[in-house]
Amino acid sequence: GNSVTQMEGPVTLSEEAFLTINCTYTATGYPSLFWYVQYPGEGLQLLLKATKADDKGSNKGFEATYRKETTSFHLEKGSVQVSDSAVYFCALPSNTGNQFYFGTGTSLTVIP
Amino acid sequence: EPEVTQTPSHQVTQMGQEVILRCVPISNHLYFYWYRQILGQKVEFLVSFYNNEISEKSEIFDDQFSVERPDGSNFTLKIRSTKLEDSAMYFCASSTNRGSDYGYTFGSGTRLTVV
Repeated sequence: GNSVTQMEGPVTLSEEAFLTINCTYTATGYPSLFWYVQYPGEGLQLLLKATKADDKGSNKGFEATYRKETTSFHLEKGSVQVSDSAVYFCALPSNTGNQFYFGTGTSLTVIP
Repeated sequence: EPEVTQTPSHQVTQMGQEVILRCVPISNHLYFYWYRQILGQKVEFLVSFYNNEISEKSEIFDDQFSVERPDGSNFTLKIRSTKLEDSAMYFCASSTNRGSDYGYTFGSGTRLTVV
């Protein structure tokens, strides 16, 4: 079945540092891929998505490219801010499309 | 921006008691979901619901769990006899199309504490 493997955390960065959170997937076919973010005390919010190979999803300065050849969807941001401190989840749908599989989550703390 | 609303935000219940977690999905959404997240662990799928019936459910969603859409706006998760291990954050989500293409909108969650 489909699954995602996500880089373990926690990650601590200084403000304006470059961020990469790794995510690799296993899937039948080519499902859409997603990154969700969970700010402290809140629910999950869709951060970005990509629907097919070589697509780049982007939002709020974050980017992720759907790489079929490496089965990866790594999340990147060129310059993180304190407000980016959150838990980030990579996700993809099941073959039926009725549920999502989430990665274990990567906690990011950005210090001033 | 439209929101998925969940109530209560925090519920404490005694083991063996029934609880009902409530959700108001976005009004034009047709697909509804419940997920849970035990503290510090993965977000786990419980159930998906479409056209007034369960589309899919996980192994977690045993006979103690049920879902209902009692009217045009609410979507509820009932746990009949709570166990300590049911303590978790429960998230409701909805989508206008199949979430696999567009993603979901999640609520802020209900923290359930079973004592």
